[in-house]
Amino acid sequence: EPEVTQTPSHQVTQMGQEVILRCVPISNHLYFYWYRQILGQKVEFLVSFYNNEISEKSEIFDDQFSVERPDGSNFTLKIRSTKLEDSAMYFCASSAWPDTQYFGPGTRLTVL
Amino acid sequence: QQPVQSPQAVILREGEDAVINCSSSKALYSVHWYRQKHGEAPVFLMILLKGGEQKGHDKISASFNEKKQQSSLYLTASQLSYSGTYFCGTVYGGATNKLIFGTGTLLAVQP
Repeated sequence: EPEVTQTPSHQVTQMGQEVILRCVPISNHLYFYWYRQILGQKVEFLVSFYNNEISEKSEIFDDQFSVERPDGSNFTLKIRSTKLEDSAMYFCASSAWPDTQYFGPGTRLTVL
Repeated sequence: QQPVQSPQAVILREGEDAVINCSSSKALYSVHWYRQKHGEAPVFLMILLKGGEQKGHDKISASFNEKKQQSSLYLTASQLSYSGTYFCGTVYGGATNKLIFGTGTLLAVQP
């Protein structure tokens, strides 16, 4: 069964460093999303992406964040200058239509 | 504004039933139910679109009451594998497809 994959599974970085989180959505899906979950809290929407552009973003998704689909398979989330409060689990999701979203296993980001 | 789930936590014995509710103060376009086990990704269970439909597979079903802006998830004859945190994700309006997740309900099924 097709699934969303994410790399790395765990990323440790120093405050102020740039990180890139990678996702490979399900191959025939057209809508892509990033969510994050701070430890012990609920999942929060960051951004949605369709037709090579951001379709929606939350207030969390400020200028430090960017997304890109550099080729036909990858979907990336970049954080330019990480802060301690960026430590969280980041989930990529994809959907064929704007409805059922399938989540990847997540990348645990730890900012020291 | 996030949907509110109740109860916050529930402990069951194997074979018992449970109901988890998800309420919104805003008009809902759709409700998505997920189960998340500790340290893992949310796993999609089902989606309900406005219209008051009820869905289900195996021993898990859900309903959506459009008038009350509420959805309920029904777990019958619970199994150990049902343990986890259940989240409802709501979509408000047809122009957006971002999921706003509820506060979560921790379900523990004991032997």
